Amino acid sequence: GAVVSQHPSRVICKSGTSVKIECRSLDFQATTMFWYRQFPKKSLMLMATSNEGSKATYEQGVEKDKFLINHASLTLSTLTVTSAHPEDSSFYICSARRDRDRDLYGYTFGSGTRLTVV
Amino acid sequence: GQNIDQPTEMTATEGAIVQINCTYQTSGFNGLFWYQQHAGEAPTFLSYNVLDGLEEKGRFSSFLSRSKGYSYLLLKELQMKDSASYLCAAMDSNYQLIWGAGTKLIIKP
Repeated sequence: GAVVSQHPSRVICKSGTSVKIECRSLDFQATTMFWYRQFPKKSLMLMATSNEGSKATYEQGVEKDKFLINHASLTLSTLTVTSAHPEDSSFYICSARRDRDRDLYGYTFGSGTRLTVV
Repeated sequence: GQNIDQPTEMTATEGAIVQINCTYQTSGFNGLFWYQQHAGEAPTFLSYNVLDGLEEKGRFSSFLSRSKGYSYLLLKELQMKDSASYLCAAMDSNYQLIWGAGTKLIIKP
């Protein structure tokens, strides 16, 4: 089946530094990548949607200059949290979609990244 | 606006049956998903309904009523490993998933 590899699984960084999270689709081409953030005991909150080769679409309230998303190829998308602060500590999950119109089952999640900013 | 409602927490006994309800309001509708999420892990796909009725898959079944904006996930013969959060998500007309806050299911021996 479809697999999305997400790295790192856990990261602790100092306040003010940047952290890059990678998601790779291993056996399929991810036409669309979704980036979510999840706080404890809360639902997944969509941060942004990116299509390969184009700029990401950010949800209201998400700072595009702080959360940099790059979807340079059909198998790789990255999320960079710039100048991280303790309030950015959260669980970040990517989800890849293969084909918008035909494969409605084609949402495959990465394993998530637990970010802790100290 | 778009909204998904599901109970925050439910408790059930090992071996029993539990039904987790979900109501939704979305701009357009392209189906209803149920996902299971264990603590600290990513969600895993359980079911997808786009037509009215009951879909059975082993111990898990999912029901949809589009006219009522309602779905439920039915878990039978509960096992301790079923303790997890269950997320309801509706797909809108733009094929975006709108997520509920999840229902934490606690299984007791």
